[in-house]
Amino acid sequence: SAVISQKPSRDICQRGTSLTIQCQVDSQVTMMFWYRQQPGQSLTLIATANQGSEATYESGFVIDKFPISRPNLTFSTLTVSNMSPEDSSIYLCSVQGNQPQHFGDGTRLSIL
Amino acid sequence: GQQVMQIPQYQHVQEGEDFTTYCNSSTTLSNIQWYKQRPGGHPVFLIQLVKSGEVKKQKRLTFQFGEAKKNSSLHITATQTTDVGTYFCAGYTGNQFYFGTGTSLTVIP
Repeated sequence: SAVISQKPSRDICQRGTSLTIQCQVDSQVTMMFWYRQQPGQSLTLIATANQGSEATYESGFVIDKFPISRPNLTFSTLTVSNMSPEDSSIYLCSVQGNQPQHFGDGTRLSIL
Repeated sequence: GQQVMQIPQYQHVQEGEDFTTYCNSSTTLSNIQWYKQRPGGHPVFLIQLVKSGEVKKQKRLTFQFGEAKKNSSLHITATQTTDVGTYFCAGYTGNQFYFGTGTSLTVIP
């Protein structure tokens, strides 16, 4: 199965700042996704990262707040913009290859 | 609101007891997937069921997909401490993909 490297693994940020999370896969994959998981909760899909075109966002998530890049089939970034304490969460990228979905280790983000 | 619900939310069992989590969708699912997330870890894919009424087994784990493709269950026989974690179902309703609310399993040695 694909090996996913997600960086940073955790960060503590000041409110009003932005953080970019990187997701690198060791093989080309068609589908890459970004999820948010708040403490003790289930996973919520933020968007599907599309290679060569704009990401497809789920209801409740907008590009201005969560801009996503997908320059090629092995890499994507998610930026959490103008952060507030409500953005404190785990952010996970996942890829769809041989398995329905394979997840990275996640980025634990805390906003002060 | 949440489309895919799981019950129970939490379950504590003595090691060796059985465990079942139930997954219910408000709409028909094209398939159902099950994931396990260990404390502090990320979700790990366990299995996918596609056919109505399908049953699959993985050692002590038995997965079922309902006849109407709106519900599913995961049953663990004779739980072990390594079974600790949160179990999520997930699936597509139309073109929307949802994770279930999850069931957190604690196994008491």
